Amino acid sequence: EAGVVQSPRYKIIEKKQPVAFWCNPISGHNTLYWYRQNLGQGPELLIRYENEEAVDDSQLPKDRFSAERLKGVDSTLKIQPAELGDSAVYLCASSLEQGGSTANTEAFFGQGTRLTVV
Amino acid sequence: GENVEQHPSTLSVQEGDSAVIKCTYSDSASNYFPWYKQELGKGPQLIIDIRSNVGEKKDQRIAVTLNKTAKHFSLHITETQPEDSAVYFCAASNKAQKLVFGQGTRLTINP
Repeated sequence: EAGVVQSPRYKIIEKKQPVAFWCNPISGHNTLYWYRQNLGQGPELLIRYENEEAVDDSQLPKDRFSAERLKGVDSTLKIQPAELGDSAVYLCASSLEQGGSTANTEAFFGQGTRLTVV
Repeated sequence: GENVEQHPSTLSVQEGDSAVIKCTYSDSASNYFPWYKQELGKGPQLIIDIRSNVGEKKDQRIAVTLNKTAKHFSLHITETQPEDSAVYFCAASNKAQKLVFGQGTRLTINP
């Protein structure tokens, strides 16, 4: 079974430029997450989707970050314009949440996109 | 919101010895506690998890314990091997499915 696929693996851009990351979750997984991981720290949630709906975007800096998950499958995360402080690894994860269930299920992570803003 | 503290930040043990990593959480509503292993250049990978209705869970050389009253949980790795060297993260989640991670522990196994 293919895991969560992210692209690109690495991206170097100049500040003020736009950048986009792409994520293909595990087939059939209805929940998709974008996390940001700063160097030496744990991942921090940016946004969580259940199918096409963003159910938690409270941590997403909406002035420059945007995300979409068309058709409830693939997702893109965009930063425009990028700032030096955006340098980090951006991780995508997916899970299969059972309808009506209150039990958490395993989140599978992709390899991440390492963004460097210069 | 939830806050997860993880200790130690670095841990070095001799091959064959045991390693213990500890985490505390703040939200009493949290009911799911996974542990992830992250190797260099890779995403986090789940190694074991525990739910709030269980006090201990074991999978071969890895075990996790949970003390709901004290709001802390621990990862125990026995008979450590060089391939156990990695960064380990604990996390906590409530019914809202939001995983909050600790700061990570860099574990080094010395041959």
